[in-house]
Amino acid sequence: QLHLQESGPGLVKPSATLSLTCTVSGDSISSSTEYWGWIRQPPGKGLEWIGSINYSGNTYQNPSLKSRVSMSVDTSKNEFSLTLRSVTAADTAVYYCARDRAATIRFDIWGQGTKVTVSS
Amino acid sequence: SSELTQDPAMSVALGQTVRITCQGDGVRAYYATWYQQKPGQAPVLIIFGNKKRPSGIPDRFSGSSSGTTASLTITGAQAEDEADYYCSSRDSSGNHVVFGGGTKLTVL
Repeated sequence: QLHLQESGPGLVKPSATLSLTCTVSGDSISSSTEYWGWIRQPPGKGLEWIGSINYSGNTYQNPSLKSRVSMSVDTSKNEFSLTLRSVTAADTAVYYCARDRAATIRFDIWGQGTKVTVSS
Repeated sequence: SSELTQDPAMSVALGQTVRITCQGDGVRAYYATWYQQKPGQAPVLIIFGNKKRPSGIPDRFSGSSSGTTASLTITGAQAEDEADYYCSSRDSSGNHVVFGGGTKLTVL
C-alpha cells in the first residue's frame, strides 16, 4: 500500500529557504511512470498546486511560484523534495505531497500534510 | 484562463441531492477531478476523469462535465458528506494543474 510522508521544519524565518521532503513507501519512485507533486493550503484557504516531478527529474510547475521553487528526486532514498526560496508570511500553509497521475489529472494518494509557519 | 470557479458554500438537506459546479476554460478540454476534504485532514480523491470513482468511494458521488462546467452530484447526501469539495483540472494551456476555490458543503 502506497504511503507518503512529508517532513521538514515547522517554522521558517522570513526571507529564508523552506525545504521539505516526501518519503514514499510501498512502491519505488523509479519504477513508476507517474509524477510526484506538492500542493499547499494556507490557513482557511483553498488548495494551490506548487509543482510535480518524475523519477527522471522532469518537472512541471505553477508559473506563479516557479521563480522561487526547486524540486528534486532521490531514487536511492525513495523520496522527493521541495525547496522554496525567499519565503514570506504568505507562504505559511500546510504542505502536502501526493502522487500525481498526470495523464488523468489526479492526485490519488496524499501525505498527511506538514504545517509550515513563516515567522521571525 | 487559469481559473476554476466554484460556489463558496452550499447546503443540502439530509438525504437530498446536491450538485456542486466548477467552471473554467480548462474543463472544456481536460478532465475534471474532484476532492473531498474534511477539517484537519488531507484531501481525498472522489472523482477523476470527469466521472470515474476510485474504489471505495460511495456511488452516491457522481461526476459529469459539459462545455466549461464540471459537476459533482451527491445523491442522498449523508451527514458524513459535510466537507469542503475542490475541483481540479488543467489550465487552458494544458501545462499546469489548477484547483477551484472550493465549496463548503453543509448537510442540514
